[in-house]
Amino acid sequence: DQQVKQNSPSLSVQEGRISILNCDYTNSMFDYFLWYKKYPAEGPTFLISISSIKDKNEDGRFTVFLNKSAKHLSLHIVPSQPGDSAVYFCAAKEAAGGTSYGKLTFGQGTILTVHP
Amino acid sequence: DAEITQSPRHKITETGRQVTLACHQTWNHNNMFWYRQDLGHGLRLIHYSYGVQDTNKGEVSDGYSVSRSNTEDLPLTLESAASSQTSVYFCASSFSNNQPQHFGDGTRLSIL
Repeated sequence: DQQVKQNSPSLSVQEGRISILNCDYTNSMFDYFLWYKKYPAEGPTFLISISSIKDKNEDGRFTVFLNKSAKHLSLHIVPSQPGDSAVYFCAAKEAAGGTSYGKLTFGQGTILTVHP
Repeated sequence: DAEITQSPRHKITETGRQVTLACHQTWNHNNMFWYRQDLGHGLRLIHYSYGVQDTNKGEVSDGYSVSRSNTEDLPLTLESAASSQTSVYFCASSFSNNQPQHFGDGTRLSIL
């Protein structure tokens, strides 16, 4: 039972264009969402997060949007750069008081390739 | 600089052997986690700890154990390695449940 799903295994984008990575979740107890970026032979690094009390959070070229009614979040990268080529994981955490509070549930990951 | 380190980075072993993967963090974080990464599954939680002497099972804990005798270390032990445990293993830590987790660079484990 995959509670966090990234249905696109890969995405290819031209440099300078927008990259949109999508993530869907099923657990209504999730109230905090994160995106991690992973390069080969390295560990995931935290990129950006959003609380369920917001619908948008922006950090430079990266913006995360949350649609709670649809249980969907997306990561926008504008403009995309070749150095953004990596695997992107979305992750979700339950609210305090939930049985799984503090633990992250990850999606399968999306491989982003940005072509020069 | 504070960091989280995993060792070894690569290991090959045989089925039935006991294997221990090390994780050491110098951030003085209370929370530590072990994940495995497999194609099509993303990262799945094996075990986690919220402090010294505290350990908890994650979603794929069968065949694995951990112990937390100090703040800095959370070693992961495979009691009797199986080929299904061939994977890339990541350790992570966080100061609290409200802070992002920081990951080590992983251990690639092959069980033949």
